[in-house]
Amino acid sequence: EPEVTQTPSHQVTQMGQEVILRCVPISNHLYFYWYRQILGQKVEFLVSFYNNEISEKSEIFDDQFSVERPDGSNFTLKIRSTKLEDSAMYFCASSEATSGTGEQYFGPGTRLTVT
Amino acid sequence: AQRVTQPEKLLSVFKGAPVELKCNYSYSGSPELFWYVQYSRQRLQLLLRHISRESIKGFTADLNKGETSFHLKKPFAQEEDSAMYYCALSGGMDSNYQLIWGAGTKLIIKP
Repeated sequence: EPEVTQTPSHQVTQMGQEVILRCVPISNHLYFYWYRQILGQKVEFLVSFYNNEISEKSEIFDDQFSVERPDGSNFTLKIRSTKLEDSAMYFCASSEATSGTGEQYFGPGTRLTVT
Repeated sequence: AQRVTQPEKLLSVFKGAPVELKCNYSYSGSPELFWYVQYSRQRLQLLLRHISRESIKGFTADLNKGETSFHLKKPFAQEEDSAMYYCALSGGMDSNYQLIWGAGTKLIIKP
């Protein structure tokens, strides 16, 4: 069964550094998402991506964040200058969404630790 | 405001006992409601959604529009049900299917 994959599983970075989190969604899916979960808190929506552009983004997704689908396979989340409060689990998800049910399939997550 | 509320952070029941995980929502339109589960060291996965009205692993959830609730129930809990459970809401195509999440309930089934 196809799965969403994410790399790396754990990323440690220093404050102010740029990080790129990578995701490979399920190949025939059309919608792509990033969520984050700060330790002990709820899952929060960051951004959705459809037809090669951002379709929705939350207040969290400020100018420090960007997403790309550089090669039709990968879906990346870049944080330009990391802050301590960016430490969280970042989940990628994808959805076929053609049936209208919007079921999302999640990757295993990348744990980002900013020191 | 769009919101999903799971009032219990932790629910602990004995094996064989009934389980009910509560979820209430606030949404102006007609949402789709989901329950996602995360077993230890595994990824988030869909457990069930209200439109399919199915039972998965013995769990059911009924959407009550009057009470704006989507509680998850199972008549007889099993130890393998121990996990984090998240209730989530989607506005459908209008919101590009983004999910709004509850805070999650940790379910512990005691032997």
